[in-house]
Amino acid sequence: DIRMTQSPSSLSASVGDRVTITCRASQTITTYLNWYQQKPGKAPNLLIYGAVSLQSGDPARFTGSGSGTDFTLTISSLQSEDFATYFCQQTSSAPYTFGQGTRLEIK
Amino acid sequence: QVQLQESGPGLVKPSGTLSLTCAVSGGSISSNNWWNWVRQSPGKGLEWIGEIYHSGSTTYNPSLRSRVTISLDKSKNQFSLKLSSLTAADTAVYYCARKRDNNYYYNMDVWGQGTTVTVSS
Repeated sequence: DIRMTQSPSSLSASVGDRVTITCRASQTITTYLNWYQQKPGKAPNLLIYGAVSLQSGDPARFTGSGSGTDFTLTISSLQSEDFATYFCQQTSSAPYTFGQGTRLEIK
Repeated sequence: QVQLQESGPGLVKPSGTLSLTCAVSGGSISSNNWWNWVRQSPGKGLEWIGEIYHSGSTTYNPSLRSRVTISLDKSKNQFSLKLSSLTAADTAVYYCARKRDNNYYYNMDVWGQGTTVTVSS
């Protein structure tokens, strides 16, 4: 299985801050990398697919980058609704594995 | 707009079998998508269980393969999950999700709301 490791596990930030979350794959996955946002009691919501493509309807302050084994999700200017948990997922090969999550909290 | 809705018992006994159904509305289960099951527990995070295509072709997580069956019912536009030999470790929120193909960039763009399953006697 491909192991996905996110860092940090948790992060405190303020509205307006720029934040970056990283995800590392245990082997190359080219750009078969997705990012999801999850709020308490809700299902994950797709933000970024193919490492860099913004899902329709999601705000442009979310950007994804990377290829191979190292990826980042950047939120350019945090809004109050962005405080949530973020997961990366690889779909290069089954089983499709997820990172352990990064919890973004209000400072 | 496609929507998914899970249903099934919230409490199942150890050594028993979990049966969940995901109803697809606003679209056809015979469309060019894969239909997935994912679970989430505090201890193991998000775990992909498996998927099925409208042809009936399935792919399972090797860690669960011996206990999992995913099937679909085109007449009812729904798909199902069966997980056998349950233990407390199978306690989780179970989600169904649509896996979409964006030029070979697969992603899960539609999710059900999730259903909590507790394994306990």
